[in-house]
Amino acid sequence: KAGVTQTPRYLIKTRGQQVTLSCSPISGHRSVSWYQQTPGQGLQFLFEYFSETQRNKGNFPGRFSGRQFSNSRSEMNVSTLELGDSALYLCASSPTDRPNEKLFFGSGTQLSVL
Amino acid sequence: GDSVTQMEGPVTLSEEAFLTINCTYTATGYPSLFWYVQYPGEGLQLLLKATKADDKGSNKGFEATYRKETTSFHLEKGSVQVSDSAVYFCTLSSGSARQLTFGSGTQLTVLP
Repeated sequence: KAGVTQTPRYLIKTRGQQVTLSCSPISGHRSVSWYQQTPGQGLQFLFEYFSETQRNKGNFPGRFSGRQFSNSRSEMNVSTLELGDSALYLCASSPTDRPNEKLFFGSGTQLSVL
Repeated sequence: GDSVTQMEGPVTLSEEAFLTINCTYTATGYPSLFWYVQYPGEGLQLLLKATKADDKGSNKGFEATYRKETTSFHLEKGSVQVSDSAVYFCTLSSGSARQLTFGSGTQLTVLP
């Protein structure tokens, strides 16, 4: 089975632009979560989607949004980029929405904002 | 809010040495606890988990016991290998929420 696939692997944008990141979960997985990883703040939860519905959202401004499609693929969007948005964005998938379920992480998209 | 505090790194050990990475947590209710590992160039992987007090999670020679009285979940391995070199994250999730709260990560380097 293919793992969690995130595209693109690297991205360079300038302040004020917007960006869309993509995540394809493992086949059959219906839950997708997004995390931001930075050297200063570490790993922080962004949001989770299950069956096209946002189930939970972390403490991030409204510039960060996401969606999930009927095939479980997910996208996250960041508008009006700021320098502090430079980070590794990780996507994770799991088969269901049960608590304590193992998450399968992708290798991430490295976003640099200049 | 929930938080996880883990031992500052980096940690450098010789092959076959004993490893301990300390982790303590603060959470409402009864969280589930995890150790995730990030190998160089790879995504995060679940190493082990424990979902209630006194449970011991184990995998690949690593162990951690959920200690409610000390709010701790220390990671141990009796004999580390070069291939164990990675960043280790202590992690929790509370209640029915599926979001994970991560510690800051501990970089482990094992020398031959």
